[in-house]
Amino acid sequence: GAVVSQHPSRVICKSGTSVKIECRSLDFQATTMFWYRQFPKQSLMLMATSNEGSKATYEQGVEKDKFLINHASLTLSTLTVTSAHPEDSSFYICSASDGGTGNTIYFGEGSWLTVV
Amino acid sequence: QKEVEQDPGPLSVPEGAIVSLNCTYSNSAFQYFMWYRQYSRKGPELLMYTYSSGNKEDGRFTAQVDKSSKYISLFIRDSQPSDSATYLCAMKAGANSKLTFGKGITLSVRP
Repeated sequence: GAVVSQHPSRVICKSGTSVKIECRSLDFQATTMFWYRQFPKQSLMLMATSNEGSKATYEQGVEKDKFLINHASLTLSTLTVTSAHPEDSSFYICSASDGGTGNTIYFGEGSWLTVV
Repeated sequence: QKEVEQDPGPLSVPEGAIVSLNCTYSNSAFQYFMWYRQYSRKGPELLMYTYSSGNKEDGRFTAQVDKSSKYISLFIRDSQPSDSATYLCAMKAGANSKLTFGKGITLSVRP
């Protein structure tokens, strides 16, 4: 199946700093990518929908100034957690929509963020 | 009523059993139906993808969609301990729409 790569898989940062997570579609072009957050033993919570070349659409309750999303190319979207705090510690997962296979959605491996 | 309902389980079966996982939904606009498998601390892995009603088979996995009943199923034949994971149903209305997930069910296959 198609591959979506996320980097880094794990990151530890100090409170107050910013962290960038990359999401790449390796073998297809993704006009739409999605960013999720997942807490232990809970389902995925959609944070935002990102379309290449345009501003991301954020879900209600998600601070767009805190979670900056950029989708500058058809294969790369980035999520930057700005001024991170311990409560931002979580598992962040991206997914990408493959228009070549009927808009099948593939997920990345996820990124564990720990803010200390 | 939630848009997508999935029995949260957990579900425990012996190795070799046939597993049946189900979801119901209320939004008649959903056209695309998916099943994902998620191992602990990993991203979801796509298992099956179906457009509209019908059956689809891939190896030990069979997905069924009944839009008239708003009901989807995933069958796993000859279940293996490696199938132990959380299974998520997901669906969307349009090609570029966001996914709506069930809560997920944790499956344990006992050797």
